[in-house]
Amino acid sequence: DTGVSQNPRHKITKRGQNVTFRCDPISEHNRLYWYRQTLGQGPEFLTYFQNEAQLEKSRLLSDRFSAERPKGSFSTLEIQRTEQGDSAMYLCASSQAFGLNTEAFFGQGTRLTVV
Amino acid sequence: DAKTTQPPSMDCAEGRAANLPCNHSTISGNEYVYWYRQIHSQGPQYIIHGLKNNETNEMASLIITEDRKSSTLILPHATLRDTAVYYCIVADSWGKLQFGAGTQVVVTP
Repeated sequence: DTGVSQNPRHKITKRGQNVTFRCDPISEHNRLYWYRQTLGQGPEFLTYFQNEAQLEKSRLLSDRFSAERPKGSFSTLEIQRTEQGDSAMYLCASSQAFGLNTEAFFGQGTRLTVV
Repeated sequence: DAKTTQPPSMDCAEGRAANLPCNHSTISGNEYVYWYRQIHSQGPQYIIHGLKNNETNEMASLIITEDRKSSTLILPHATLRDTAVYYCIVADSWGKLQFGAGTQVVVTP
């Protein structure tokens, strides 16, 4: 296991199209997080899962965004009717929550460009 | 909004210790202090975290003041590969991280 894997690494799409990103967490990590990062800013929390349950969604996650984690393994983040403002790096992280050991490990991200 | 305050940038000479300060005056009793760093175009990398005791690992040391309102990340012997944006984050045990702008650290030869 080499860590959190995100696909694709880069995506260019036309405004109005739908896109889907995939995140494969570290095996047996039961928590999975999605973040968004725009140029020059720190990552912003979007949503997270404990196993297959989506426990919290940021108000940044508009109705055009949906995330799933079927069976508590990989996760997908879909953006419908993309807008230029959706252009950003989308980061996924996972952690194995037990006791105090809750550090999250991040993937390399998917860079989305909406033209 | 991020609950921490960090200087926007700092320089450090290669081979010297880098001391990165962070203020988190509104931290609550069940919140941890985490440090991550992000090298350009990569995902953030975990460095260290702590609750109230000082912590040390192979990457760094974390010193938390007794009142827990501030902390310092220490990189004992900075190398050029330590050039990155360093984020100090306060988070509860669910691990949801609220990043601020971080400190851009530049290590110079």
